[in-house]
Amino acid sequence: QKEVEQNSGPLSVPEGAIASLNCTYSDRGSQSFFWYRQYSGKSPELIMFIYSNGDKEDGRFTAQLNKASQYVSLLIRDSQPSDSATYLCAVSGSSNTGKLIFGQGTTLQVKP
Amino acid sequence: DAEITQSPRHKITETGRQVTLACHQTWNHNNMFWYRQDLGHGLRLIHYSYGVQDTNKGEVSDGYSVSRSNTEDLPLTLESAASSQTSVYFCASSSGSADTQYFGPGTRLTVL
Repeated sequence: QKEVEQNSGPLSVPEGAIASLNCTYSDRGSQSFFWYRQYSGKSPELIMFIYSNGDKEDGRFTAQLNKASQYVSLLIRDSQPSDSATYLCAVSGSSNTGKLIFGQGTTLQVKP
Repeated sequence: DAEITQSPRHKITETGRQVTLACHQTWNHNNMFWYRQDLGHGLRLIHYSYGVQDTNKGEVSDGYSVSRSNTEDLPLTLESAASSQTSVYFCASSSGSADTQYFGPGTRLTVL
């Protein structure tokens, strides 16, 4: 079983729609959760982090965390073609080592 | 502004040659990480360091080495390059055990 799992996609949504990206993780003791965006040929860049159960909003982005279900998601409202990228979920380990475990990423395509 | 840089950005080498990839950060971060990214595997941790003179093996460390002589730099050396090491290499840094990792622009390495 992979430690951090994401559907590789592609996830295709029309412009203006809500894109929902999901991630599950296996280490129940994980404390920190991150979403990175990676454009083709570029490096990952941080979108959001979340530490506590519930929702965290930043502009058009909302991260949702449910530790009981070991599930973290990213919602992108009013999706734009510029949001087309691969989204990487990253999870810290329970041993608080500073290391992150990355999922393989979900490719999002926003069609005009 | 603080940043993290990698050099070279592109490198072509031959099987058996020693190759060193540079990573330099001006964030004054204690933690530095090297990843490789391949299709189907996502980001995989090669080596990491929590500070000067500290280095640790990641999940795919065979054939790679690092050294940390100062806070700013963590060079990655391929002792004897193999075709299986053709990949995109990312360096990242973070300041603490649960903190965000910031990525460099990456080095695309081709081993012929």
